[in-house]
Amino acid sequence: KAGVTQTPRYLIKTRGQQVTLSCSPISGHRSVSWYQQTPGQGLQFLFEYFSETQRNKGNFPGRFSGRQFSNSRSEMNVSTLELGDSALYLCASSAGPGGEKLFFGSGTQLSVL
Amino acid sequence: DQQVKQNSPSLSVQEGRISILNCDYTNSMFDYFLWYKKYPAEGPTFLISISSIKDKNEDGRFTVFLNKSAKHLSLHIVPSQPGDSAVYFCAASGRTGGFKTIFGAGTRLFVKA
Repeated sequence: KAGVTQTPRYLIKTRGQQVTLSCSPISGHRSVSWYQQTPGQGLQFLFEYFSETQRNKGNFPGRFSGRQFSNSRSEMNVSTLELGDSALYLCASSAGPGGEKLFFGSGTQLSVL
Repeated sequence: DQQVKQNSPSLSVQEGRISILNCDYTNSMFDYFLWYKKYPAEGPTFLISISSIKDKNEDGRFTVFLNKSAKHLSLHIVPSQPGDSAVYFCAASGRTGGFKTIFGAGTRLFVKA
């Protein structure tokens, strides 16, 4: 079974631009969560989707948004990028409705210049 | 609001000895706790978990202990091996929290040969 796939692996953007990150969960998994990892801050929860519905959202500004498609694939969008958005963005999927073991992708390293 | 705390940013242990990683949480509604391990340039991978109805769970060299009254859990690795050198994240989830999983800031473990 293929693991969680995130694209692109690396991304360089400039302030003010927007970016879209993609995540393909493990086949059969319906829950997808997104996390932001910065040094010293651990994994900060962004949002979680289940069956195309956003069920949870973390404490991030409205510039951060996401969606999930009928095939469970998910995208995350960040508009009007700021220098502080530079981070590793991780996507994770789980088989059940949530709160269970998460399977992570390798992440997208975003650098904002 | 840091609901899951790992107060030790790093830990250094000699090969063959015990590694003890600690984690505290503040939300008594958490009912499932997990440990993940992360190597550089990879996503976190699940290591071991424990439900709130238990106080200990063991899997090979890894044991997780849960003290609900103290809202504290710990991960014991015995014996420690150089390949265990990684960042370890403590995580917690709860049905009433809407299934989102909250992570601590991580502890970097160095196992010296």
